[in-house]
Amino acid sequence: EPEVTQTPSHQVTQMGQEVILRCVPISNHLYFYWYRQILGQKVEFLVSFYNNEISEKSEIFDDQFSVERPDGSNFTLKIRSTKLEDSAMYFCASSTDGNQPQHFGDGTRLSIL
Amino acid sequence: QKEVEQDPGPLSVPEGAIVSLNCTYSNSAFQYFMWYRQYSRKGPELLMYTYSSGNKEDGRFTAQVDKSSKYISLFIRDSQPSDSATYLCAMSTSNTGNQFYFGTGTSLTVIP
Repeated sequence: EPEVTQTPSHQVTQMGQEVILRCVPISNHLYFYWYRQILGQKVEFLVSFYNNEISEKSEIFDDQFSVERPDGSNFTLKIRSTKLEDSAMYFCASSTDGNQPQHFGDGTRLSIL
Repeated sequence: QKEVEQDPGPLSVPEGAIVSLNCTYSNSAFQYFMWYRQYSRKGPELLMYTYSSGNKEDGRFTAQVDKSSKYISLFIRDSQPSDSATYLCAMSTSNTGNQFYFGTGTSLTVIP
């Protein structure tokens, strides 16, 4: 069964450094998403992406965050200057269209020191 | 912002029991309702997807949506130890882009 894959599974970064989280969505999916889950808290929406542009973003997704689809398969989340509170699990998801269920990867655990 | 409320549990049941998991919500614009299962150190795995009110059954799982009460449920029949996981409800409006709003998740343990 096709799946969303995320790399790396765990990323440790010094505060203030830039980090790029990578995702390969399911191949025939057109909508892409990033969520995060701080330990013990809800899964929170960050951003959705369609047709090479952001279609929706939350208040969390401020200027330190950016997303990109650099080629036909990858979807990336960049955090420009990481803060301690960015430590969380980051999940990538994809769907065939905006009203279909989203399929999630296994996440990248980001630890900011 | 408490748009979706879910009892975090933990919930512990004997094998074979019927499990009832529930979420309430406040936003009447929600049209799409999902249940995900999440094992430790894994991403959410889609279990059930329903649109608007009504019931949907898939094997041992039944999802119910009552939009008038803003209440959704997931029933698991003949629960198995392999059902032990965290169950997340999620919902969205009909707008394109579709951010999902998640509950906190209910931790379920099925005891053999």
